[in-house]
Amino acid sequence: AQSVSQHNHHVILSEAASLELGCNYSYGGTVNLFWYVQYPGQHLQLLLKYFSGDPLVKGIKGFEAEFIKSKFSFNLRKPSVQWSDTAEYFCAVKNSGGYQKVTFGTGTKLQVIP
Amino acid sequence: NAGVTQTPKFQVLKTGQSMTLQCAQDMNHEYMSWYRQDPGMGLRLIHYSVGAGITDQGEVPNGYNVSRSTTEDFPLRLLSAAPSQTSVYFCASSSSGGAGRTNIQYFGAGTRLSVL
Repeated sequence: AQSVSQHNHHVILSEAASLELGCNYSYGGTVNLFWYVQYPGQHLQLLLKYFSGDPLVKGIKGFEAEFIKSKFSFNLRKPSVQWSDTAEYFCAVKNSGGYQKVTFGTGTKLQVIP
Repeated sequence: NAGVTQTPKFQVLKTGQSMTLQCAQDMNHEYMSWYRQDPGMGLRLIHYSVGAGITDQGEVPNGYNVSRSTTEDFPLRLLSAAPSQTSVYFCASSSSGGAGRTNIQYFGAGTRLSVL
């Protein structure tokens, strides 16, 4: 069964600091990878996705993620965080093709201090 | 563009009561799913549907029923609520990915349920 590990449960950064959130998955086949963001009191929104092609994926609000197949990783990065990035971030993976169950990581809460 | 609509937003139940969480999407998506979100556990799949008339269990189906009589609607029923079902419930929909459409999940705003 596929699984997703997010290494950091709670991250606190000052504004303008750089961010990297770790995500590792376990599955041997072809996968689709996602990062979702959940702002306080809101629903999940897609931040970025990887299906195929360039392993460096750029998403909304200056976020990017790099798919490293050999490491089964899909880490999320942002060079300079803002207070408005305070949210919970979820990495997710699904087998490509058809309906395949999306497996979510347990989430990382990011708190950005002004 | 409504997207995925969930009702109600908040609900308080007593142990043993039943209720239905509603979910509707207007994007003509084939796939719909119900998740529950609990602190420190991420999102866990309860039930899902790959089309009208077709449903299947996810990883935590016990205590919940679903049906999919139309493409648009995917209600989640709690037959006899228990305190362990206190959670935030999210409905999601996605296309099958055919004809150039990507199968990204779109989420509703959630239903916060408390069972006393």
